[in-house]
Amino acid sequence: EAQVTQNPRYLITVTGKKLTVTCSQNMNHEYMSWYRQDPGLGLRQIYYSMNVEVTDKGDVPEGYKVSRKEKRNFPLILESPSPNQTSLYFCASMSGSGNTIYFGEGSWLTVV
Amino acid sequence: AQSVTQLGSHVSVSEGALVLLRCNYSSSVPPYLFWYVQYPNQGLQLLLKYTTGATLVKGINGFEAEFKKSETSFHLTKPSAHMSDAAEYFCAVTLYNNNDMRFGAGTRLTVKP
Repeated sequence: EAQVTQNPRYLITVTGKKLTVTCSQNMNHEYMSWYRQDPGLGLRQIYYSMNVEVTDKGDVPEGYKVSRKEKRNFPLILESPSPNQTSLYFCASMSGSGNTIYFGEGSWLTVV
Repeated sequence: AQSVTQLGSHVSVSEGALVLLRCNYSSSVPPYLFWYVQYPNQGLQLLLKYTTGATLVKGINGFEAEFKKSETSFHLTKPSAHMSDAAEYFCAVTLYNNNDMRFGAGTRLTVKP
């Protein structure tokens, strides 16, 4: 079954404590992306990756890092989380033809 | 870069009434257009998509959308709203030559009994 898996699904953390949200896909997709969803703002792209070792900033990259050491994994790293990073995060991967995107189930992150 | 604008952050209709959710796009090359639905506390589900070919696209749950190049629009419609249609709807765009998907801000649909 085609799947994008994110972990953790729910997390409450404290300001400044580094955390990583993992994302894994089993479809051998080259393109992967991270979004955050906030009320009234829709989904905003944080970072994306066109292939292994190729990453680029999206619209709201500040405070985030990513890595793409292998095709299936695309972790999102918050080195020093702040309360304004409290949000719902989605990982996604897309087929090469660019017309089918698969989303993970989302990760609710609260920074206090 | 491509972008989409959804007109109306909230739309309210009565059960059985027409649903119309508006989306306009901006792109320099032919776009691929999508509508996603998000039910409360759930992820995004693809409703329908336009890539090439027929401009009227039918999706799941009785929804359809029409790609109008002259109006740069991709409005979502459903002839008769059901209570179960209450959700948030997102329009999105990519280009045929890249995978960079951009979303609109979303429209929350409320269905009144």
